[in-house]
Amino acid sequence: DQQVKQNSPSLSVQEGRISILNCDYTNSMFDYFLWYKKYPAEGPTFLISISSIKDKNEDGRFTVFLNKSAKHLSLHIVPSQPGDSAVYFCAASDVSGTYKYIFGTGTRLKVLA
Amino acid sequence: SQTIHQWPATLVQPVGSPLSLECTVEGTSNPNLYWYRQAAGRGLQLLFYSVGIGQISSEVPQNLSASRPQDRQFILSSKKLLLSDSGFYLCAWSVSVGTEAFFGQGTRLTVV
Repeated sequence: DQQVKQNSPSLSVQEGRISILNCDYTNSMFDYFLWYKKYPAEGPTFLISISSIKDKNEDGRFTVFLNKSAKHLSLHIVPSQPGDSAVYFCAASDVSGTYKYIFGTGTRLKVLA
Repeated sequence: SQTIHQWPATLVQPVGSPLSLECTVEGTSNPNLYWYRQAAGRGLQLLFYSVGIGQISSEVPQNLSASRPQDRQFILSSKKLLLSDSGFYLCAWSVSVGTEAFFGQGTRLTVV
């Protein structure tokens, strides 16, 4: 059972435009969410996180939005740059429960110059 | 600052051979430690996690095992590798729940 889902395996965006990556989750106990960026043959790099007490968190070009009622989060990258081309994973955890981070299957973002 | 070391970077092993991947964390005490695997074209699958020395939780029943002999050392092992064990193995650590996890550079394992 895939508790964290990224239904778009790939996304292409023009340089300078907005990239929107989406993530859905099924476990209502999840209360902490993260986004990671991964290049081939490297470990994922942490980008940004959000707690369930918030609905938005911003860090530079990256903004994460959380819609708890829809069990949906999204990552916005503005403006997109060619160096943003990578695979993006969302992850979720249950702060009051286990210590696990459950990851989605990833979305490959390609930013076109 | 905290760093995580994972080795080797690549490994080619024959079917039926043993496996030992090591991960160490520096600059922090009593971290939560994790082993993930990324199979070709798939997401990150949690294999094991540990919240303390000798405490191992297994997420996926398989022929792999994990051990934590020291506070900042996490080892992934197998007595006999299968072809299906091929993949990209990642070690990670976190300070506590509600914080981000940090990943090592990964080990590309190919079982032939």
